[in-house]
Amino acid sequence: AQKVTQAQTEISVVEKEDVTLDCVYETRDTTYYLFWYKQPPSGELVFLIRRNSFDEQNEISGRYSWNFQKSTSSFNFTITASQVVDSAVYFCALSEARAAGNKLTFGGGTRVLVKP
Amino acid sequence: NAGVMQNPRHLVRRRGQEARLRCSPMKGHSHVYWYRQLPEEGLKFMVYLQKENIIDESGMPKERFSAEFPKEGPSILRIQQVVRGDSAAYFCASSPLTDLYGYTFGSGTRLTVV
Repeated sequence: AQKVTQAQTEISVVEKEDVTLDCVYETRDTTYYLFWYKQPPSGELVFLIRRNSFDEQNEISGRYSWNFQKSTSSFNFTITASQVVDSAVYFCALSEARAAGNKLTFGGGTRVLVKP
Repeated sequence: NAGVMQNPRHLVRRRGQEARLRCSPMKGHSHVYWYRQLPEEGLKFMVYLQKENIIDESGMPKERFSAEFPKEGPSILRIQQVVRGDSAAYFCASSPLTDLYGYTFGSGTRLTVV
């Protein structure tokens, strides 16, 4: 069964600090997809990234970067030089290619509070 | 090209009433998923549908909950005889046949049971 663990429930930082969100996953499948979503206070889900299990290259998009380590089953997310607008709950999610229905399994989320 | 449309955005129901949540997938998307987010929790999968077919309902509560995706019209998540514990945000996502993992989420429906 697939499982996603986000051990940090809440992180508080001061603006311009870097913040890293941990995500550890469990799966028996060799083909799977990992995702990160942002949920701002307004409540909608904002897609940030999708990565398949065969692509271990790290990715950078502006102030966001992701570190995929298959050996440790982790897909960590770093926000560099955080801003107040980054305050949100961030979810990591996993979808197994073999699972019927391609359903997403979400972690419990990490609430990030960026103080000015 | 509108995204996934969910309505209503907010729904208030008294205990024992029925709640109907609607989801119109993105144009060209034939796969619809419903997720529930209880307060202060992550999202939990409920059901996966294609047109006129329920593919996976392993996350649906056994009673009072049902879902459909008819040939014409939006997907409907129906909750009968609502209870306080049904208060949650319900999110719909859709994906196309050509990219099943290319999910697009709607803005959600926030159900409050009073």
